[in-house]
Amino acid sequence: GAVVSQHPSRVICKSGTSVKIECRSLDFQATTMFWYRQFPKQSLMLMATSNEGSKATYEQGVEKDKFLINHASLTLSTLTVTSAHPEDSSFYICSARRPGQGDSPLHFGNGTRLTVT
Amino acid sequence: GDSVTQMEGPVTLSEEAFLTINCTYTATGYPSLFWYVQYPGEGLQLLLKATKADDKGSNKGFEATYRKETTSFHLEKGSVQVSDSAVYFCALSDRNTGNQFYFGTGTSLTVIP
Repeated sequence: GAVVSQHPSRVICKSGTSVKIECRSLDFQATTMFWYRQFPKQSLMLMATSNEGSKATYEQGVEKDKFLINHASLTLSTLTVTSAHPEDSSFYICSARRPGQGDSPLHFGNGTRLTVT
Repeated sequence: GDSVTQMEGPVTLSEEAFLTINCTYTATGYPSLFWYVQYPGEGLQLLLKATKADDKGSNKGFEATYRKETTSFHLEKGSVQVSDSAVYFCALSDRNTGNQFYFGTGTSLTVIP
């Protein structure tokens, strides 16, 4: 079964509003979670690495004030898209890997389809 | 730096055809290699993996062999089904870069009856 849960699966919001996406690890504690954005031609872009108890690490070109990441517990990371605009419409996917296993795979949530009108 | 290059799609096959999706990699160390599958509207699911040279990963009729000499990890299936229609991603995780993941651009597969 799923080991990473992501919610909501779809959200439609108006331009200028903020949207929060949750990512939970279900049967392990994840000190690190990853947020990806998937563009229409399917390529995955790593946006940021979420670190429990400390600041997230953002990839180059990703606005940290626009994409706020909070990793408040060992099983929950949130991504908030602030003041969303139509160009933020995309598919956002979170992932995590079990700790202590150097070559363990990433486990992905089912993604969130964000549409900004 | 590390990278993954995979065959561009889209790929369209008839049911029961043989599938190959090519994947080659560049890594500074000895990476673990993965194939993920993404069905429409969903996140990525691990399909198979291999952690060292000559290992063969297999699952659901799909196979891929870790070839260090050719730095490749090609995905194969002998007889595809309509339900295999999805996007396939090759990926690597390299201990030399803190186990960071690197993904290929994905290959879209459509299987027609």
